[in-house]
Amino acid sequence: GAVVSQHPSRVICKSGTSVKIECRSLDFQATTMFWYRQFPKQSLMLMATSNEGSKATYEQGVEKDKFLINHASLTLSTLTVTSAHPEDSSFYICSARDRRAIYEQYFGPGTRLTVT
Amino acid sequence: GNSVTQMEGPVTLSEEAFLTINCTYTATGYPSLFWYVQYPGEGLQLLLKATKADDKGSNKGFEATYRKETTSFHLEKGSVQVSDSAVYFCALSDGQAGTALIFGKGTTLSVSS
Repeated sequence: GAVVSQHPSRVICKSGTSVKIECRSLDFQATTMFWYRQFPKQSLMLMATSNEGSKATYEQGVEKDKFLINHASLTLSTLTVTSAHPEDSSFYICSARDRRAIYEQYFGPGTRLTVT
Repeated sequence: GNSVTQMEGPVTLSEEAFLTINCTYTATGYPSLFWYVQYPGEGLQLLLKATKADDKGSNKGFEATYRKETTSFHLEKGSVQVSDSAVYFCALSDGQAGTALIFGKGTTLSVSS
């Protein structure tokens, strides 16, 4: 089956630093990847949609200069949290859409970010 | 716009009890419907899906039927286990390339032995 990986699974960083999270589709090509944020005991909030080779589309209220998304290839998208603050601490989940099955998304295992 | 409404949790059951988690949706066109499960500290796993009306998705003893007349996709299991304790998300896809899944708020299930 389709597998999506995320790296790292957990990261702790100091306030003011930047953190990069990678999302890879391991056995399929993903023309579209999505980045979600999940607060404790809450649902997933879509942050942005990333299409290979083009700029990401951000949801209303998400700062594109703070959450930099790059989708450089059909198997890799990255989310960089710039100048992180404690309120950025969250669970970040990516998903990827297989170009052959546009109605499904495959989710990564998530990255737990803690900003101290 | 499209939306998904799930029953509020938490749902607390004893082992071997019957489970129903209600999910209704609002959508234009013919969406595909999904149930995802999230175990503590983990990402989402697809539990089951249905892509057209009257389809029944099933997996690991869980079932859900796509009811267009009632715009529902209720999740059921005849006999829950402690290992089923997790958060369950109902979601829909409008099938358009490039659009994300729309999730319900999630329902926490806790099963005790």
